[in-house]
Amino acid sequence: GEDVEQSLFLSVREGDSSVINCTYTDSSSTYLYWYKQEPGAGLQLLTYIFSNMDMKQDQRLTVLLNKKDKHLSLRIADTQTGDSAIYFCAERKRTGGSYIPTFGRGTSLIVHP
Amino acid sequence: GAVVSQHPSWVICKSGTSVKIECRSLDFQATTMFWYRQFPKQSLMLMATSNEGSKATYEQGVEKDKFLINHASLTLSTLTVTSAHPEDSSFYICSARDVRGSSTDTQYFGPGTRLTVL
Repeated sequence: GEDVEQSLFLSVREGDSSVINCTYTDSSSTYLYWYKQEPGAGLQLLTYIFSNMDMKQDQRLTVLLNKKDKHLSLRIADTQTGDSAIYFCAERKRTGGSYIPTFGRGTSLIVHP
Repeated sequence: GAVVSQHPSWVICKSGTSVKIECRSLDFQATTMFWYRQFPKQSLMLMATSNEGSKATYEQGVEKDKFLINHASLTLSTLTVTSAHPEDSSFYICSARDVRGSSTDTQYFGPGTRLTVL
């Protein structure tokens, strides 16, 4: 299976909270990331969490990490239409001589009025 | 903030021709750049790691003779798709890592190039 798995779609109403879930495989990953991709654009790093943390909050974003279950989630409070995008979960992995993010397939977040 | 540009943003070409895609770091220097390929509804798949002044490191299953990578300066890497075929049609994204580094290995992504081979 995939190294990083996440559901493909999430639909929420404007103003509600969105929760995007992700599972990963490498328990030695030191960093886990959330990226946002708007239509036709590249990826933007939204936030990250270090593996020795359980939670990180950054304005409307809350990241929860359950290392035991290798589960990561991103909560967006007061979701706005501008939050509609694809959200990628990624774990830091060593490839060759570099550490790079290994991405999931992305979750398409659709925010409707 | 750090900006990475790609050119062109989209290209349509005939089967058998070669296409060059440029990736530039605009306000920082990047010793390492990465090339990804993204299929619809799929994850980004790393194709190769490009190091300034040396040969690129290709991921397993990526043909280095088909996807030529050149990283001639600290701000420019190019990907040339040689003898393109319809199955090469995809969204190609580059990213760059600031030479000054960071504890989180932050990469800055370009906006991507949509390649369509007829």
